[in-house]
Amino acid sequence: AQKVTQAQTEISVVEKEDVTLDCVYETRDTTYYLFWYKQPPSGELVFLIRRNSFDEQNEISGRYSWNFQKSTSSFNFTITASQVVDSAVYFCALSDFTQGGSEKLVFGKGMKLTVNP
Amino acid sequence: ETGVTQTPRHLVMGMTNKKSLKCEQHLGHNAMYWYKQSAKKPLELMFVYNFKEQTENNSVPSRFSPECPNSSHLFLHLHTLQPEDSALYLCASSQETGGFYEQYFGPGTRLTVT
Repeated sequence: AQKVTQAQTEISVVEKEDVTLDCVYETRDTTYYLFWYKQPPSGELVFLIRRNSFDEQNEISGRYSWNFQKSTSSFNFTITASQVVDSAVYFCALSDFTQGGSEKLVFGKGMKLTVNP
Repeated sequence: ETGVTQTPRHLVMGMTNKKSLKCEQHLGHNAMYWYKQSAKKPLELMFVYNFKEQTENNSVPSRFSPECPNSSHLFLHLHTLQPEDSALYLCASSQETGGFYEQYFGPGTRLTVT
């Protein structure tokens, strides 16, 4: 079955530290999509990135970077020089097919990041 | 106007009440979703609508009844809920269903059942 594991449940760092959020997934599909979402205290999940299974290139967007490795089924997320505004719960997600035939997202349990000034 | 809005943001209801949650998306999307987020549990998909048709009911109890009158609006009708239904209910939308399309979420309705 599709599964997403975020082993870290909570991390606390001091501003300007780098932090890596781990995500390991299990899937029976050869084509799939991986996502990262951020959930700030306001509640809504904010889309950060989508990566398809055929694209293993790492991606950098400002202070955010993602490392996708199919060999280890991992899609890790690194925040460089963390800031207080990065404090949130971060979710990794994997695309999956529902019983009804449509696709859904399988979410990990989330990792709460607290960045202290 | 933000992409996906939800009302109310907070709701307290008794077990015998009937209430409705509303979601509206301003993104021109064709797919809409209801998720339940409980403490210490992964996000659970409840319902999926694509072009106003329900394509998924993830074994949700009948005390939750969705309605999608058009592609921009989604409702979740609640009746005779249980205390364990207390959670954050999140609405999301995407261009269509399918793993390629990212989902955009609303801020959620924090529901407390007393």
